[in-house]
Amino acid sequence: AQSVTQLDSQVPVFEEAPVELRCNYSSSVSVYLFWYVQYPNQGLQLLLKYLSGSTLVKGINGFEAEFNKSQTSFHLRKPSVHISDTAEYFCAVTSRSYNTDKLIFGTGTRLQVFP
Amino acid sequence: DGGITQSPKYLFRKEGQNVTLSCEQNLNHDAMYWYRQDPGQGLRLIYYSQIVNDFQKGDIAEGYSVSREKKESFPLTVTSAQKNPTAFYLCASSTGTGAGGEKLFFGSGTQLSVL
Repeated sequence: AQSVTQLDSQVPVFEEAPVELRCNYSSSVSVYLFWYVQYPNQGLQLLLKYLSGSTLVKGINGFEAEFNKSQTSFHLRKPSVHISDTAEYFCAVTSRSYNTDKLIFGTGTRLQVFP
Repeated sequence: DGGITQSPKYLFRKEGQNVTLSCEQNLNHDAMYWYRQDPGQGLRLIYYSQIVNDFQKGDIAEGYSVSREKKESFPLTVTSAQKNPTAFYLCASSTGTGAGGEKLFFGSGTQLSVL
């Protein structure tokens, strides 16, 4: 079975500062990894995903994430955040062997960007 | 525009009542999913369907039922057996190619509350 741990429930930062949102996963098989963003009272949107190949994945809105197999991590980063990045961010995983797109989500990290 | 429509946006349930949440997609996706979102717990999978007339239980299926009679529709019924139904419910869909790793498209959610 897979599981996802997002170590920080809230991350406050000032505008234009860098940010890292941490995600660790547990799985006995190879996985696909995802980051989704949720703005208030809305559904989730895909930021980026790792399927294979380069361990550094670039996504929308200037976000990127790095897959680290030895540390079973998939941390999300942005070098300079904007007020509009205030939202909840979810890390998610699915097993390559499932042959479905169903995801196991972490508990989420609320990013609050202050002016 | 293609997308997923959830209705209603807000729903109230009385004690002992069954209620049905609607989810319709016009993306021609084979796979559809229902997730429940509670504060601090992230998203948990209730049911999913990879093809018409077939569906599988997720991690928290007790007290819920679904049907998949049409490709574009995947309604969720919250039965009276679900003792703690207050939550934000999200419907999603994906192409369901069977290879895994496809992104999920989410609706804007239904907030269910108990009167």
